Amino acid sequence: AQSVAQPEDQVNVAEGNPLTVKCTYSVSGNPYLFWYVQYPNRGLQFLLKYITGDNLVKGSYGFEAEFNKSQTSFHLKKPSALVSDSALYFCAVRDLNYGGATNKLIFGTGTLLAVQP
Amino acid sequence: NAGVMQNPRHLVRRRGQEARLRCSPMKGHSHVYWYRQLPEEGLKFMVYLQKENIIDESGMPKERFSAEFPKEGPSILRIQQVVRGDSAAYFCASSPGAANYGYTFGSGTRLTVV
Repeated sequence: AQSVAQPEDQVNVAEGNPLTVKCTYSVSGNPYLFWYVQYPNRGLQFLLKYITGDNLVKGSYGFEAEFNKSQTSFHLKKPSALVSDSALYFCAVRDLNYGGATNKLIFGTGTLLAVQP
Repeated sequence: NAGVMQNPRHLVRRRGQEARLRCSPMKGHSHVYWYRQLPEEGLKFMVYLQKENIIDESGMPKERFSAEFPKEGPSILRIQQVVRGDSAAYFCASSPGAANYGYTFGSGTRLTVV
């Protein structure tokens, strides 16, 4: 079964420092990977996705993610954190159980990013 | 170009009542997904629908929960005889037909059962 794991419930970083939010995946076949962000009392917003191609994917708000097939990871990164980046971040993988005909996403448990001024 | 519209934003029901949550997908999106978010548990898949068809309901509780996406009108998530444990945020998302697109999420309906 497809799954993603976010090993950290919370990540704390000082404003201006680089940040990393970790995600590892388990899929049978080529993974389709996504990152979403959720601000308080809001729905999830799409940040970026990896389907194929370059391992470094650039997304919204200065975020990027690196696909690493050997480590089955898709960590989210940003060179310089902002206080406004504080939110809940979700990694997701597309479920391939229907032979590629589905767009169902399986989400991780989320990582709360706290950026201190 | 309205996004995914969910209503109501907040819903309070007494135990035993019915809750109806509505979701209008983005224009041109024919796939709808419902997720439930509980504190400390992340986002759990419930059901995936296309127009008039349930594609995957593997995340739906066996009793009291049902979903539909009629030919005309919004998708409806219906919870009968609500219990306190149903209190959660329910999110709807939509996508176009292509398999490698992500979702567009609505702002959610926060259900409180008292």
